[in-house]
Amino acid sequence: AQSVTQPDIHITVSEGASLELRCNYSYGATPYLFWYVQSPGQGLQLLLKYFSGDTLVQGIKGFEAEFKRSQSSFNLRKPSVHWSDAAEYFCAVASFYNNNDMRFGAGTRLTVKP
Amino acid sequence: EAQVTQNPRYLITVTGKKLTVTCSQNMNHEYMSWYRQDPGLGLRQIYYSMNVEVTDKGDVPEGYKVSRKEKRNFPLILESPSPNQTSLYFCASSLYGTVREGEQYFGPGTRLTVT
Repeated sequence: AQSVTQPDIHITVSEGASLELRCNYSYGATPYLFWYVQSPGQGLQLLLKYFSGDTLVQGIKGFEAEFKRSQSSFNLRKPSVHWSDAAEYFCAVASFYNNNDMRFGAGTRLTVKP
Repeated sequence: EAQVTQNPRYLITVTGKKLTVTCSQNMNHEYMSWYRQDPGLGLRQIYYSMNVEVTDKGDVPEGYKVSRKEKRNFPLILESPSPNQTSLYFCASSLYGTVREGEQYFGPGTRLTVT
C-alpha cells in the first residue's frame, strides 16, 4: 500500500529565508504527487502537482517541488518565505492504477518569524 | 464563484444524536469525496462518489453514510455519532471521475465535536 511521510511536524523559518519541506513516499511505481496548503480556518488549496515529465515543477505563490525517483522524495521549496506563507502543508500521493486512492501525509506546520 | 460549500461549519452534539453535514458544489464536478482530518494523521478519506448514485468506501467509512442523489450534493450522515468521530471534516470535488486527472477543490471544513 502506498504511504506518505512528512518527517517534520513543525518548522520555523525567518521571513526572507529559504524553505524546504520534505516529503517521502512509498509506492511500487511512479505515483502522482501533490502539495496542498491549508491556511488557518481554511480548506486545502493545491500548490502544485507532478504527473510525469520534468521533475522540477512550478506551482503557485512562488513554490516549486522536485521529484527524485531514486530517493522517493518530492520536496517543496521556496527561495524566500513571506509571513503569509505561515500555514500547514500537506504532501499527497495518488495511485496510477487506482485513481481514487489518494493518501495524504500528516502535514508540516510552518511558522514564519518576522 | 466556483466553490464547495459545507454546512454547518461548527457543530457540537451528543452521542447518538443523528446528524447530517451537507456538501454542495457548483462546478458540475463528477467526483466528490469526504475526508476527516485529525492531528498527526493528516486527511483520511471516508467515502467518495464517482458520479450520481455511485458511492464507495474510503479508508475510514465505519460509522458514516453518504448519498449522491444529485450531482451537486454529497451529504455525510452520522446515524449515531460517537466521541471518536470528533474531528474536522472536509468535502472535496473534482471535475473528472478521477483524482489524478483533476485538481480537488476543498470546502472550508466542518468542525464536529461529539460529547
